[in-house]
Amino acid sequence: KNEVEQSPQNLTAQEGEFITINCSYSVGISALHWLQQHPGGGIVSLFMLSSGKKKHGRLIATINIQEKHSSLHITASHPRDSAVYICAVPLIIQGAQKLVFGQGTRLTINP
Amino acid sequence: GAGVSQSPSNKVTEKGKDVELRCDPISGHTALYWYRQSLGQGLEFLIYFQGNSAPDKSGLPSDRFSAERTGGSVSTLTIQRTQQEDSAVYLCASSLGTTKYEQYFGPGTRLTVT
Repeated sequence: KNEVEQSPQNLTAQEGEFITINCSYSVGISALHWLQQHPGGGIVSLFMLSSGKKKHGRLIATINIQEKHSSLHITASHPRDSAVYICAVPLIIQGAQKLVFGQGTRLTINP
Repeated sequence: GAGVSQSPSNKVTEKGKDVELRCDPISGHTALYWYRQSLGQGLEFLIYFQGNSAPDKSGLPSDRFSAERTGGSVSTLTIQRTQQEDSAVYLCASSLGTTKYEQYFGPGTRLTVT
């Protein structure tokens, strides 16, 4: 079993739909990262959160530490949101946070 | 301010040749990380630097891979005698410190070994 599991692996939706991507993890963590990777390969950090909820524009991330679960929501989705969304949890090893990544969710928003 | 930069953005090399990939972290960031994303695979950790030292090299896939960081800034990932399975996107990230700081990713270097 992977330490970080995301669902769904692939998601196709129509423009305007509300999107939810889920992440479950099996290790104890201090924070969780949500990353976005566009087709060119570059990665952008969307959120780092350790409790509750964070919101940036149309993106909302929530985390439940007790249940070891996080969700990424996109409201009023747009074709430019099409990307791979990756959650990552840090394992603290020798004083550093070594990120362990989920397998990613490929999101396609059709106009 | 400038983000994390990596060079080259793309590199095509012949099997058996050595390659060097460079990462310029955000100024002032003491922690630097290298990751790899092979085609169709997820991201995997390679190596981490705190300052110039690398306390965790556990992710390096073989002894053909090495990395160094000088002056607490620029890092170079070197792959000797490249193999086709080394083809991947190599990503670098940096953070202000360790454990509780957000990592900022560079654009990556796409390496193709022919």
